[in-house]
Amino acid sequence: QQPVQSPQAVILREGEDAVINCSSSKALYSVHWYRQKHGEAPVFLMILLKGGEQKGHEKISASFNEKKQQSSLYLTASQLSYSGTYFCGTGFQKLVFGTGTRLLVSP
Amino acid sequence: GAVVSQHPSRVICKSGTSVKIECRSLDFQATTMFWYRQFPKKSLMLMATSNEGSKATYEQGVEKDKFLINHASLTLSTLTVTSAHPEDSSFYICSARDAGTSGRTDTQYFGPGTRLTVL
Repeated sequence: QQPVQSPQAVILREGEDAVINCSSSKALYSVHWYRQKHGEAPVFLMILLKGGEQKGHEKISASFNEKKQQSSLYLTASQLSYSGTYFCGTGFQKLVFGTGTRLLVSP
Repeated sequence: GAVVSQHPSRVICKSGTSVKIECRSLDFQATTMFWYRQFPKKSLMLMATSNEGSKATYEQGVEKDKFLINHASLTLSTLTVTSAHPEDSSFYICSARDAGTSGRTDTQYFGPGTRLTVL
């Protein structure tokens, strides 16, 4: 089953923060986060492998709560380049992508 | 590093023809490659898992005779859309999973995608 992401869409002004959530009905072994810009392929952001693990990538970080079967992506001090659609991906041997969250950062 | 290429990037074909899409991992070996399909403003839907030297594993609802997959080497997988029809028009994306030779185990890297339009 496809992980559900929330919110579906979010509009930010440059410099604002955002949180994107990913919830799965199945047990999670790992969570992958990708960003896709319109007409382009998804770009890998990070992978979280252990429950409770947190990772950071510049001003983008993520947490993974294995027990709750959830992951959250944190975008701080957003930049215009952060605009795009964010997908979480879950699965053991193959990834099933979440429903997606469209993020627009405006000046 | 971790570059995946796809060719062609765009293709327009007539209904009934076949189209082959190539996916290559340029700087790493990929024992497993994946093929996805994406409709506008939708998520990526996994079509099949391609394993080097063996038959592909198709997801439920994906016609294996229509979407032929071949994984001839550790760096190349091909998807052939046979007897294409307008409803096959979509954005097809491949990804390759690093076999772990460079410490990037389990990460999937995506190709730039192929936009197929069937007239």
